[in-house]
Amino acid sequence: DAKTTQPNSMESNEEEPVHLPCNHSTISGTDYIHWYRQLPSQGPEYVIHGLTSNVNNRMASLAIAEDRKSSTLILHRATLRDAAVYYCIPSTYNTDKLIFGTGTRLQVFP
Amino acid sequence: ETGVTQSPTHLIKTRGQQVTLRCSSQSGHNTVSWYQQALGQGPQFIFQYYREEENGRGNFPPRFSGLQFPNYSSELNVNALELDDSALYLCASSFPGTGLYGYTFGSGTRLTVV
Repeated sequence: DAKTTQPNSMESNEEEPVHLPCNHSTISGTDYIHWYRQLPSQGPEYVIHGLTSNVNNRMASLAIAEDRKSSTLILHRATLRDAAVYYCIPSTYNTDKLIFGTGTRLQVFP
Repeated sequence: ETGVTQSPTHLIKTRGQQVTLRCSSQSGHNTVSWYQQALGQGPQFIFQYYREEENGRGNFPPRFSGLQFPNYSSELNVNALELDDSALYLCASSFPGTGLYGYTFGSGTRLTVV
């Protein structure tokens, strides 16, 4: 599995956009990039995933660099409920095991 | 549809004892994975069960064992508890073929070993 580097923590104000970076320079050509987040006192939950193209869903957007060595999770308008630890997880599509790193702890201020 | 349910939510055990944690998978999911999350760390993969058989294991000693039942629920057993086993234990269910976006996690069991 590709190694990832994420900042330990980030801060944002409510209703501002947040860009959470992830470096995965050893990613292989067939690895998808998944993002999960873990709200306080809860288990992780799926946020978004992609392969090469940028992806959008109701929760967030995922911007993937052209060389695929990095990606950015974008929360367009942070809310207090978005305060969580965000995990970037590259892995091959046919694997069925999620392997977590240490993630980025996002704090959102009113 | 119901999500993943774990029991108990909290547990205190003494070093050397044995513990059993339980997990009911989400409806329609036949694969269960267990994770250990120490304070301030990301979840670490313990093992996965599919069709009542172990289907992959992380770097955990044999005193961590599991079971999956015909209704896809699962148990995690830890023997000879050590202080370092204190952690949040997470269960996740999934269905093969849905990829890594199909995981549903429970809220975990907080185990404290004293």
